[in-house]
Amino acid sequence: EDQVTQSPEALRLQEGESSSLNCSYTVSGLRGLFWYRQDPGKGPEFLFTLYSAGEEKEKERLKATLTKKESFLHITAPKPEDSATYLCAVESYGGSQGNLIFGKGTKLSVKP
Amino acid sequence: DAGVTQSPTHLIKTRGQQVTLRCSPKSGHDTVSWYQQALGQGPQFIFQYYEEEERQRGNFPDRFSGHQFPNYSSELNVNALLLGDSALYLCASSLAGQARYGYTFGSGTRLTVV
Repeated sequence: EDQVTQSPEALRLQEGESSSLNCSYTVSGLRGLFWYRQDPGKGPEFLFTLYSAGEEKEKERLKATLTKKESFLHITAPKPEDSATYLCAVESYGGSQGNLIFGKGTKLSVKP
Repeated sequence: DAGVTQSPTHLIKTRGQQVTLRCSPKSGHDTVSWYQQALGQGPQFIFQYYEEEERQRGNFPDRFSGHQFPNYSSELNVNALLLGDSALYLCASSLAGQARYGYTFGSGTRLTVV
């Protein structure tokens, strides 16, 4: 069964304190791994898609990396506006495109 | 450029009633997926529509049904509502075969069943 586990469940950082969020997955053939940001009461906002081990993508203070079993979202010198829940999802060859399996997310709080 | 639009934003229904939620995909997108997100959980896939057909379905009962119209908009219907159906219902759109650009989500419909 395809599964996604995110850790930690919650993370509190001081502004400027870099850290990483983890996403471990088991799938029957990885079609793609997605990172989303979700603000309270809003829908998920797309950040990155990763396809193969070794791939990396960056956007402002965020950098996503992928191995065969997990993905990391590195946050460099975070700001309070980076506070949100970060969701990881996988799309497997066992399902159709658009059938994303999500983890429960990591709730990030950045204090000034 | 309008993103994914969902209506209504909030809804309160009584157990046993029926509800219809609506979704207009992002301009240029032809595929719509529906998700249920309970409080504190990640979204769960309900089903996906492409070319007005249900292409795949998640682990949800037949009380959940849907439809896609020729203009690619979609509806989610839930019959015989249960208290456990209370959740944020999300619609995501995409262009078939273009997953590398990600799936665009709407802001959702918050359904409360009392």
